Amino acid sequence: NAGVTQTPKFRILKIGQSMTLQCAQDMNHNYMYWYRQDPGMGLKLIYYSVGAGITDKGEVPNGYNVSRSTTEDFPLRLELAAPSQTSVYFCASSYSEETQYFGPGTRLLVL
Amino acid sequence: GNSVTQMEGPVTLSEEAFLTINCTYTATGYPSLFWYVQYPGEGLQLLLKATKADDKGSNKGFEATYRKETTSFHLEKGSVQVSDSAVYFCALSETQAGGSYIPTFGRGTSLIVHP
Repeated sequence: NAGVTQTPKFRILKIGQSMTLQCAQDMNHNYMYWYRQDPGMGLKLIYYSVGAGITDKGEVPNGYNVSRSTTEDFPLRLELAAPSQTSVYFCASSYSEETQYFGPGTRLLVL
Repeated sequence: GNSVTQMEGPVTLSEEAFLTINCTYTATGYPSLFWYVQYPGEGLQLLLKATKADDKGSNKGFEATYRKETTSFHLEKGSVQVSDSAVYFCALSETQAGGSYIPTFGRGTSLIVHP
């Protein structure tokens, strides 16, 4: 199993550009999550999904969108990048309330 | 709502010292409790977990006991190594209204172990 994979690993965006962060898991987990991690601030939940076709907002959803058309994939879309979105983004998956499995992260720099 | 409070870091220790990282939580019901570890440049990975009161989770020499009476889940290790240097996150997961499980993470505690 590859576990949770994320692409790209690193990206620089200009203000106002858009991009999609990709996330995939091969463990048939029903739950998937997107977090951002700012230095010294821990993890903040952006969006989550409890299954294909179902998504919901987390703590900091503004400026982001998600979709879940399949069990495996959970892309995160940034429509108009802003410097405040400079962060490290982690995707995770789990089977209900059990252990979360994290991807390696995407470092995003918005200039 | 739910919350997790961890001691602030960094925690700096010499090799073979005893480690305690405090974690307390607030939850409405009976959550599962977790410790995750994040090594530099990597994502988080599960270190140990406990799913009910008085359970002890253990892994790689680390231990934590689910104390419902004190709402705590402190992480301990008897003798730390340089390779234990990382950021440690305490977390809980509990059923929300509507039946979904949304985890709550602490802010993380950085551990630095010197030779």
